[in-house]
Amino acid sequence: QKEVEQDPGPLSVPEGAIVSLNCTYSNSAFQYFMWYRQYSRKGPELLMYTYSSGNKEDGRFTAQVDKSSKYISLFIRDSQPSDSATYLCAMRLAAGNKLTFGGGTRVLVKP
Amino acid sequence: EPEVTQTPSHQVTQMGQEVILRCVPISNHLYFYWYRQILGQKVEFLVSFYNNEISEKSEIFDDQFSVERPDGSNFTLKIRSTKLEDSAMYFCASRPTGTAYEQYFGPGTRLTVT
Repeated sequence: QKEVEQDPGPLSVPEGAIVSLNCTYSNSAFQYFMWYRQYSRKGPELLMYTYSSGNKEDGRFTAQVDKSSKYISLFIRDSQPSDSATYLCAMRLAAGNKLTFGGGTRVLVKP
Repeated sequence: EPEVTQTPSHQVTQMGQEVILRCVPISNHLYFYWYRQILGQKVEFLVSFYNNEISEKSEIFDDQFSVERPDGSNFTLKIRSTKLEDSAMYFCASRPTGTAYEQYFGPGTRLTVT
């Protein structure tokens, strides 16, 4: 079983729709969770981070963590064509430094 | 807004040659990282660096790799004898001090080994 799993997509939505992304993980010791956006051949750009179960909102983005189910989500409201990118989830143990990434979900927002 | 910078953006080298990838982390960050991403694959952790020493490394980070903070601003990754399978995007990241755990990534260096 992979440590962090993410549907590779592509996920295609019309402009203005809600984009729903998720990751599942197998290691219950993961405590910190991040979402990154990555455009083609660019570096990951940090969008959201959280360490507690529940929701965290920032503008059009909402991150959701359910530690009991080992499941995290990212919702993008009012999606724009500029949101077209690959979205990576990443997580970290309480102790330690490395981030473990999912494989990314490619999102296409069509005008 | 402060950001991590990396040079060069693209490096082409021949197998067996040494390469040095350079990074300037965000000012006042004290934790530094290197990751790599082979085309079409996941971003993978290589090494973390704090207080002038390696704090954690992956099994990928073998004796061919080394890191250094030669001065107060640069952070480098050296690959001593490159192999074809070292071709990848290499990302530098840095983290704020204290309880913050989020990591900020640079734009990457694309390494092509021929």
